[in-house]
Amino acid sequence: SYELTQPLSVSVALGQTARITCGGNNIGSKNVHWYQQKPGQAPVLVIYRDSYRPSGIPERFSGSNSGNTATLTISRAQAGDEADYYCQVWDSSTVVFGGGTKLTVL
Amino acid sequence: EVQLVESGGGLVQPGGSLRLSCAASGFTFSSYWMHWVRQAPGKGLVWVSRINTYGSSTSYADSVKGRFTISRDNAKNTLYLQMNSLRAEDTAVYYCARDADAAIAFIDYWGQGTLVTVSS
Repeated sequence: SYELTQPLSVSVALGQTARITCGGNNIGSKNVHWYQQKPGQAPVLVIYRDSYRPSGIPERFSGSNSGNTATLTISRAQAGDEADYYCQVWDSSTVVFGGGTKLTVL
Repeated sequence: EVQLVESGGGLVQPGGSLRLSCAASGFTFSSYWMHWVRQAPGKGLVWVSRINTYGSSTSYADSVKGRFTISRDNAKNTLYLQMNSLRAEDTAVYYCARDADAAIAFIDYWGQGTLVTVSS
C-alpha cells in the first residue's frame, strides 16, 4: 500500500516561512491535497490538486509537488496557523493520509 | 451552507455493533461521493470508506474490510456506516466528509464527528 511520510513537527518563527513536506514514491505523479486541523476541530482543506487554494484560504498558503516530495508552504506565519497539517492522495482506490505534522509558531 | 451532522456514536463492547448516520444539507447530496474518516484519540486521520453517488460502488480500508459497511439513502440525504465486530482499535472520532472531486478524491467539507468508544 502507498505510504506518505511527514515530519512529526515543524517550528517557525512568527512572520517567517514554514515548509511542511510530504514524501511518497513518485508522489509528483499524483494529486496531493492538504488539510489543517486545530485542536478539537474538524479538518479544513487548505490546498487541493497540489497547489490550488479553496476560497477563503489566505494566499499565504501555497503548495508544490515534484518527484518524491510535495510541500505545503505557509508564508508570513501567524499564531493562528499553529495546527496539525495532513497531506493526502488517492491511490489504488483508497484515500491515503500522511501521519500529520504539528506546526508550532514561535 | 453545507452541513454534515454525524450521530450514532457511543460506548460499545468489543464484538458489538453500531450504526453511524450523517445527515447532509445545503447541497445536492445525491451528486457527491462521500467518505468516512476516523481519528483515534491523539492520533492522525485515517480513511475508512468511500461510496459513489448511487451507492453502487464502495471501497474500504483494509483494517475495516468485511466488518464495516458504508451505504447511503439519497431520498433522506443521509450517509451511514454500519460497524460490526468492533475492536478496541476502532475507538475514534468518526467524520463524515464530502468528496469534492470523484476523480482525484479530496474532501472539501467535514462534519464535526461522532465519538465511538469500544471498551468493556
